[in-house]
Amino acid sequence: GAVVSQHPSRVICKSGTSVKIECRSLDFQATTMFWYRQFPKQSLMLMATSNEGSKATYEQGVEKDKFLINHASLTLSTLTVTSAHPEDSSFYICSAGGLAAGVQYFGPGTRLTVT
Amino acid sequence: DAKTTQPPSMDCAEGRAANLPCNHSTISGNEYVYWYRQIHSQGPQYIIHGLKNNETNEMASLIITEDRKSSTLILPHATLRDTAVYYCIVRVAKNAGNMLTFGGGTRLMVKP
Repeated sequence: GAVVSQHPSRVICKSGTSVKIECRSLDFQATTMFWYRQFPKQSLMLMATSNEGSKATYEQGVEKDKFLINHASLTLSTLTVTSAHPEDSSFYICSAGGLAAGVQYFGPGTRLTVT
Repeated sequence: DAKTTQPPSMDCAEGRAANLPCNHSTISGNEYVYWYRQIHSQGPQYIIHGLKNNETNEMASLIITEDRKSSTLILPHATLRDTAVYYCIVRVAKNAGNMLTFGGGTRLMVKP
């Protein structure tokens, strides 16, 4: 299957700082990538749809000014959590599709802890 | 998207077949059934998908009933590494992929 990577896999930051998470499709091009968030013992929740060369589409309740998404190339999307607070601590996962219709390939996730 | 119903948890003995059911009684004619799984602290992994015919790959088999209102994911010889949360998702297939809506899934525990 297709490979999607994320970096970093784990990050700890202080409250008020910003953190950037990278999502790369390693062996295919993805015009669309998705960002999900998962809190402990809960299912994945879609945060936003990242479109190459255009603005991201955010789900209701997700602050676009807090979670900045940039999809500058067909293989890279970044999520920046600005002015992070402890309640932003979560598991962030990206996905990309484009090979088989409807199939999404997920990154390994990034564990963010805000102290 | 059609709603799916899965049992919250299941146990399976190592080496035996794991049969994970999914109910999707409101599925539309152009919606596919997708299965993913998530091993603890990892991103979800695509397993298999199908429209109406049974499908098999190196990971699993997917059995879809004739009326398409339910399906079963079969792991033929479960191993301890198959312990994970399994998600059944029904969605129209689109080129370049489309976002997925995750429900609660089934937590499969494979026991020695």
